[in-house]
Amino acid sequence: DTAVSQTPKYLVTQMGNDKSIKCEQNLGHDTMYWYKQDSKKFLKIMFSYNNKELIINETVPNRFSPKSPDKAHLNLHINSLELGDSAVYFCASSDPAGGPETQYFGPGTRLLVL
Amino acid sequence: QQPVQSPQAVILREGEDAVINCSSSKALYSVHWYRQKHGEAPVFLMILLKGGEQMRHEKISASFNEKKQQSSLYLTASQLSYSGTYFCGTAHTTSGTYKYIFGTGTRLKVLA
Repeated sequence: DTAVSQTPKYLVTQMGNDKSIKCEQNLGHDTMYWYKQDSKKFLKIMFSYNNKELIINETVPNRFSPKSPDKAHLNLHINSLELGDSAVYFCASSDPAGGPETQYFGPGTRLLVL
Repeated sequence: QQPVQSPQAVILREGEDAVINCSSSKALYSVHWYRQKHGEAPVFLMILLKGGEQMRHEKISASFNEKKQQSSLYLTASQLSYSGTYFCGTAHTTSGTYKYIFGTGTRLKVLA
């Protein structure tokens, strides 16, 4: 039933480790996103994929690499984690064909880097 | 350039009204409003299009002033369930590239 799902929900790890977050949507949307929400609650777009192709890549360290095996999945891999990477990461999807791009968010992954 | 929302935070008693504003420096063609409850994901409330009508979601309505690149969210007779952080999401193009940016957020707390 879940429209946009993410795993894991919580992620606690040591500095320097590599970790991945997975996202899947069953809405049939062509576009998927990764957002970072920091402690001040600012929501910043990191990446956007349309039908498996990268269309937005904001100023994000190249330690972050998105991968889209198909249009229903968009995973985020993070290398050499740093303390400043601690945040909530939201996956979202939208359907541009349906009009202006309302974002449907996943439940979020709370990442804590120690 | 993130759209600026005002106020940053507001506390209301149940039944009171509030207005949240979202101002952008860009020429917008749509504005979305979202509400995020503590520990949850943002949830879409409504969309306003350039040249479109004022929209409503329950007792919440919104308007879009295209000339001023501003949108306002009106919460009437607030309920406890309205508590959360409200974000505007704005769409514009820069050098032919589509951009979607969230505002700075407004924290709303409704007290019984």
